[in-house]
Amino acid sequence: KAGVTQTPRYLIKTRGQQVTLSCSPISGHRSVSWYQQTPGQGLQFLFEYFSETQRNKGNFPGRFSGRQFSNSRSEMNVSTLELGDSALYLCASSKEFSSPMAEQYFGPGTRLTVT
Amino acid sequence: QQQVKQSPQSLIVQKGGISIINCAYENTAFDYFPWYQQFPGKGPALLIAIRPDVSEKKEGRFTISFNKSAKQFSLHIMDSQPGDSATYFCAASSYNQGGKLIFGQGTELSVKP
Repeated sequence: KAGVTQTPRYLIKTRGQQVTLSCSPISGHRSVSWYQQTPGQGLQFLFEYFSETQRNKGNFPGRFSGRQFSNSRSEMNVSTLELGDSALYLCASSKEFSSPMAEQYFGPGTRLTVT
Repeated sequence: QQQVKQSPQSLIVQKGGISIINCAYENTAFDYFPWYQQFPGKGPALLIAIRPDVSEKKEGRFTISFNKSAKQFSLHIMDSQPGDSATYFCAASSYNQGGKLIFGQGTELSVKP
């Protein structure tokens, strides 16, 4: 079974630009979560999507947004990029939302560098 | 109350030794406690997880010990190997928060041959 895939793997953008990252969950998984990983703040939850609806949101500004498609694939968008947005963005998928067996499996991440 | 505190930040262990990483939490609503292993350039990989209705779970060389009253849990890696050298993260979530994992700050483990 293929794991979680994320594209692109690496991205360099300039301050003020916007970026869209893509995530394909494990086949059969319907919930997709996004996390930001930085050396200073560690792993922080951005948001979770299930059945094309955002079910949960972390403490990030409105510049960070996402969506989920009917095939469970998800995208996240960051507008008006700031230097501090440089990070590894990780996508994780699980079978169900709020399930007792809510094991999450992470993709390899997208390394975003903002210059 | 949402924090998960992890210690130590870094750990050096000799091959064959026992690696122990500790985590503490405040939120009593947490009911799922996974551990993740991350190698450089990779995403975190689920290692082992426990729910608060059991005090210990063992999978191969990896054991989670859970102390509900103390709100602490720990990862023990028996017979540590150089291939175990990675960063380990504890995490916690609650049933009604879906996939929202609250992560500890991570422990960088180095196993010396």
